[in-house]
Amino acid sequence: AQSVTQLGSHVSVSEGALVLLRCNYSSSVPPYLFWYVQYPNQGLQLLLKYTSAATLVKGINGFEAEFKKSETSFHLTKPSAHMSDAAEYFCAVSPTGGGNKLTFGTGTQLKVEL
Amino acid sequence: DGGITQSPKYLFRKEGQNVTLSCEQNLNHDAMYWYRQDPGQGLRLIYYSQIVNDFQKGDIAEGYSVSREKKESFPLTVTSAQKNPTAFYLCASSIERGGYNEQFFGPGTRLTVL
Repeated sequence: AQSVTQLGSHVSVSEGALVLLRCNYSSSVPPYLFWYVQYPNQGLQLLLKYTSAATLVKGINGFEAEFKKSETSFHLTKPSAHMSDAAEYFCAVSPTGGGNKLTFGTGTQLKVEL
Repeated sequence: DGGITQSPKYLFRKEGQNVTLSCEQNLNHDAMYWYRQDPGQGLRLIYYSQIVNDFQKGDIAEGYSVSREKKESFPLTVTSAQKNPTAFYLCASSIERGGYNEQFFGPGTRLTVL
């Protein structure tokens, strides 16, 4: 079964600092990978996705992620944090062989401090 | 505007009562999903439906039931058999994009059992 692990349930950064949220996947073949963002008491919004094209994926709000097969990782980064980035972030995986199901990580709460 | 609506936003229920959460989409998506979100556990799949009049159990279906009589509607009933129903419930729908499914989420319903 495929799974993702998000290291760090809480991450705190200063405004203007680099954001790095970690996600490692477990899969026998490279899967499809997704990052979602959730603001308090709201649904999830897709930030970006890896679908086996370019390994460096750019998303909305200045976020990007790099797929690294050798490290089985798909870490989310943003060069300069903004107060509005404070939210919970979820990494998710789905199989490339078809199927609709997503498996989510446990989430990382990002706090941005002045 | 196309999207997914969930109602109500907040729902309170007494122990032993069944309650139905509404999910409607006007995106013309074939597949729909119900997730449960608890703090620190990410999203867990309850039920999903790939087509009208068909649905499958997810990872935590016990104590829940669904129906899919119309393409745009996928209501979830939380029955009295669900031992710990207090949670945030998210509905999603998906569209296939060249081999993978991109999921779109509703705003969620927060259920509290009194």
